[in-house]
Amino acid sequence: DTGVSQNPRHKITKRGQNVTFRCDPISEHNRLYWYRQTLGQGPEFLTYFQNEAQLEKSRLLSDRFSAERPKGSFSTLEIQRTEQGDSAMYLCASSLRTGTSSGDEKLFFGSGTQLSVL
Amino acid sequence: AQSVSQHNHHVILSEAASLELGCNYSYGGTVNLFWYVQYPGQHLQLLLKYFSGDPLVKGIKGFEAEFIKSKFSFNLRKPSVQWSDTAEYFCAVNAGNTPLVFGKGTRLSVIA
Repeated sequence: DTGVSQNPRHKITKRGQNVTFRCDPISEHNRLYWYRQTLGQGPEFLTYFQNEAQLEKSRLLSDRFSAERPKGSFSTLEIQRTEQGDSAMYLCASSLRTGTSSGDEKLFFGSGTQLSVL
Repeated sequence: AQSVSQHNHHVILSEAASLELGCNYSYGGTVNLFWYVQYPGQHLQLLLKYFSGDPLVKGIKGFEAEFIKSKFSFNLRKPSVQWSDTAEYFCAVNAGNTPLVFGKGTRLSVIA
């Protein structure tokens, strides 16, 4: 068990509905990442937080997507007005970044939330 | 921006065969390179990483990878695979403060 917990494991929704996913990182980790993975592809970066600050968002993240990390602990990813193209595995990862070198950073991934939009 | 290419989509090997999975990246500056593995039904986990020093990196479970800067490559190797190595393998790169960029992955099937 990596210690990164994601809920729910599976979500089936109808097109046009809003969905929210939750990620609980490893408790002392200051960085939290969201990735999306579709069949036959590697994980694609969506956004990340350092503590409660959202530092970067991918161009993949349309305005229907929003992520928060209040108090620098758990994070939520909300998708509004879901589309069939949003169907994917949404992965959360956390890390403890202490230095300036990204080579020292080790990401711990959760098991993901599988979203199916009908 | 960085990008990663993994040449093989699906590799099928017999047990005890040697493994080499290709990975090339595109970025002109200093990079950090990673291999992650995802076993069936499990989460992604780090296999090994390179960010400085000896370009031959050893990881868990007998895996190793060699960083060849002139070829922009970071190929993963294992001298003798086992059935339990059946998994999906992802090469990834980052630089400076950028998030990890993953390749599309290579599915490895090891047959008895």
